[in-house]
Amino acid sequence: KAGVTQTPRYLIKTRGQQVTLSCSPISGHRSVSWYQQTPGQGLQFLFEYFSETQRNKGNFPGRFSGRQFSNSRSEMNVSTLELGDSALYLCASSLAGGMGYTFGSGTRLTVV
Amino acid sequence: AQSVTQPDIHITVSEGASLELRCNYSYGATPYLFWYVQSPGQGLQLLLKYFSGDTLVQGIKGFEAEFKRSQSSFNLRKPSVHWSDAAEYFCAVGAIDVGNDMRFGAGTRLTVKP
Repeated sequence: KAGVTQTPRYLIKTRGQQVTLSCSPISGHRSVSWYQQTPGQGLQFLFEYFSETQRNKGNFPGRFSGRQFSNSRSEMNVSTLELGDSALYLCASSLAGGMGYTFGSGTRLTVV
Repeated sequence: AQSVTQPDIHITVSEGASLELRCNYSYGATPYLFWYVQSPGQGLQLLLKYFSGDTLVQGIKGFEAEFKRSQSSFNLRKPSVHWSDAAEYFCAVGAIDVGNDMRFGAGTRLTVKP
């Protein structure tokens, strides 16, 4: 079966712009989580959605937001981009959350 | 909240040698524990997981891990390392209450010498 699909794979944006990243989970998976990965901070939890509801949120500013659709697809949005937002953004899906996730290949965001 | 410590940032082993990557966790209840591997520019692949039961867990690619509650550890082992095992390895702990808040360690980068 198809894995977790993230689009786009690479993105270059200018400081101050906003960006939307997309994630299609494995069919049947209702939990989608997002992580930010940087060399300095490692893997940091952004938020988790289950059946269109945000169940948990990490310690990120309000510029980072997300949503989940009825088909479990998820998007995350970052507004007013800063240079420090440059990172690999990973999406992961699971049947129920907290019990192990399947990760996508990530979206590499570069802010210039 | 739960947390994970991977004491070794970088480990180098010779091909064919045994491997042990250390992981210590902090969590008030019985944790869900995971090991993931990441190749450069890729996402994370699940190697193995522990929820309950037998404390020695077998995973893919010949890896195993042992849960030791008394030491709050979940170390990853492989008896004979292959050059293709060179990658970054992450230990993670998941919460068993509502919602996901899986926390990752900082990772251990494995280099394999020929």
